[in-house]
Amino acid sequence: QVQLQQSGPGLVKPSQTLSLTCAISGDSVSTNSAAWNWIRQSPSRGLEWLGGTYYRSRWYNHYAVSVKSRVTINPDTSKNQFSLQLNSVTPEDTAVYYCARVAVAGSFDPWGQGTLVTVSS
Amino acid sequence: QSALTQPPSVSGSPGQSVTISCTGTSSDVGSYNRVSWYQQPPGTAPKLMIYEVSNRPSGVPDRFSGSKSGNTASLTISGLQAEDEADYFCSSYTSSSIRYVFGTGTKVTVL
Repeated sequence: QVQLQQSGPGLVKPSQTLSLTCAISGDSVSTNSAAWNWIRQSPSRGLEWLGGTYYRSRWYNHYAVSVKSRVTINPDTSKNQFSLQLNSVTPEDTAVYYCARVAVAGSFDPWGQGTLVTVSS
Repeated sequence: QSALTQPPSVSGSPGQSVTISCTGTSSDVGSYNRVSWYQQPPGTAPKLMIYEVSNRPSGVPDRFSGSKSGNTASLTISGLQAEDEADYFCSSYTSSSIRYVFGTGTKVTVL
């Protein structure tokens, strides 16, 4: 059974960098049959896909246009995990952040437990 | 890229059936069978209920079913139970640069 465990701070100051990590058990970040994604949820924006990374003979990354200039998603094969970095955050980036796997037909399963990140000074 | 449109709420009595619609465009729901549905009880992470329009993952009750017609996908819960009370979201792959788009969410209330 695949499980995703998120970690990272719940409070980030405006203009700083939001950093979260998602540890994978039961699967490999380097698998050729899945992609590893970050999604956020807020009352104002709903559910929003931020981007993902996957390995198909080499590493690929795809990011949502809304955050492309500020976001980086990196795999860490030594720890079997992947990370999210979102630069220059503002209060509008306040949300619950989830990591999730895509393995079958574009469906997200499973999801991490979620991390509420508040951007405030 | 706009979110997929869902009704804000639906309700039904135990044992009844409810259907949630998810309306997109020819760039997402209308062009791809990569439509999925998620159940999210308050304070928890979403859980996959339907993938690829109408397929149920192992462990999901067969009371949950999905379908699609044109730009609109639907989730039907038959034989509604109290434990089905939650928010439900649809998702679709999209040809836009966003790649994945989610629905606005529907609160299911069991009367």
